[in-house]
Amino acid sequence: EADIYQTPRYLVIGTGKKITLECSQTMGHDKMYWYQQDPGMELHLIHYSYGVNSTEKGDLSSESTVSRIRTEHFPLTLESARPSHTSQYLCASGNYGYTFGSGTRLTVV
Amino acid sequence: RKEVEQDPGPFNVPEGATVAFNCTYSNSASQSFFWYRQDCRKEPKLLMSVYSSGNEDGRFTAQLNRASQYISLLIRDSKLSDSATYLCAVNTGDMRFGAGTRLTVKP
Repeated sequence: EADIYQTPRYLVIGTGKKITLECSQTMGHDKMYWYQQDPGMELHLIHYSYGVNSTEKGDLSSESTVSRIRTEHFPLTLESARPSHTSQYLCASGNYGYTFGSGTRLTVV
Repeated sequence: RKEVEQDPGPFNVPEGATVAFNCTYSNSASQSFFWYRQDCRKEPKLLMSVYSSGNEDGRFTAQLNRASQYISLLIRDSKLSDSATYLCAVNTGDMRFGAGTRLTVKP
């Protein structure tokens, strides 16, 4: 049974729309992460948080933003989706080894 | 230079074979080390942590060499179900992942 949940699992959306990808964990982890991964390619860290009200940008430049108002919740928002945002977005949490959510596969048309 | 580099692969091996993956990391201050398994179109799942003394979990053995800054994963008696991409990960405060090595085990 998953302890970290991502919704939606799949999302197809038009250019210019605002979207929020949800991520919640029930493990009480302080550290949470967002990775972006294209098919067959490596994981790229785009955002991370070390706790409530703490957010940082990762290595890969991203037009997304994140918030951490509650320990268990770490949503990622795209204000205006573009086709270049088409990718898989993976949320992870953990203070040692990470646990990943099932991911959101986003397609912007 | 990437922080974490892996054998490019792909590795295509017959069932029963022994296969080894290597991974090097650049940050000597790295604190902890892991191997993850990722199936096609799925999320990475933690396979095992890697300790300096080496550790074994069934058919899987992981080794860490801090002096040379590399970690390895050995899979003995490969099964068809071992087919996946194997990612090494190095925690330097945040986890850095290698690009992954794809393994296909054939009958």
